[in-house]
Amino acid sequence: KNEVEQSPQNLTAQEGEFITINCSYSVGISALHWLQQHPGGGIVSLFMLSSGKKKHGRLIATINIQEKHSSLHITASHPRDSAVYICAVKWWRGGADGLTFGKGTHLIIQP
Amino acid sequence: DTAVSQTPKYLVTQMGNDKSIKCEQNLGHDTMYWYKQDSKKFLKIMFSYNNKELIINETVPNRFSPKSPDKAHLNLHINSLELGDSAVYFCASSWRDRAPQETQYFGPGTRLLVL
Repeated sequence: KNEVEQSPQNLTAQEGEFITINCSYSVGISALHWLQQHPGGGIVSLFMLSSGKKKHGRLIATINIQEKHSSLHITASHPRDSAVYICAVKWWRGGADGLTFGKGTHLIIQP
Repeated sequence: DTAVSQTPKYLVTQMGNDKSIKCEQNLGHDTMYWYKQDSKKFLKIMFSYNNKELIINETVPNRFSPKSPDKAHLNLHINSLELGDSAVYFCASSWRDRAPQETQYFGPGTRLLVL
């Protein structure tokens, strides 16, 4: 069973701050997924990565396979970044993949 | 064009009823999933289907029966609804055999409330 731990659970920051959200997992995975859930409930995929680093706009995701750890960074944060950020690890079993989710980090960016 | 669609968006029903939630994806993916998000916002996988075959069933009560008439559809039928079934149910799809970096696409969710 793969445990996925996220930190912090809640984070409030001022607009413009650099944000870091962390994710740790317990067993081997094929990939790690960062998701964003908006206040309205919709889920959007931000990144899926299995090594190194990915960047999209102001978002950067890194993963260290040896340490079983990933971070999601937001540069120049903006109130529209306020959402729940969910880490999920992708595993392979029985011929298909699935996801085990962390409990999410609730981010609020204040203007 | 909606990539992954679910109907209905909201479902309010009485305990003991039987209900279905439909999911369709137009991305050509070969794998589809159902997830449940409970009141504490925790997501958990329920089922995974690959090419209409059930691949994963994560200790879900047998009152829940997924049905995949074709690769583009994965419907969720729930018998004898219980109060604890109240949650948001998300459908998702992806490719199975592509690189691990292939992401999943989520539907908008179906908010089920059992009274």
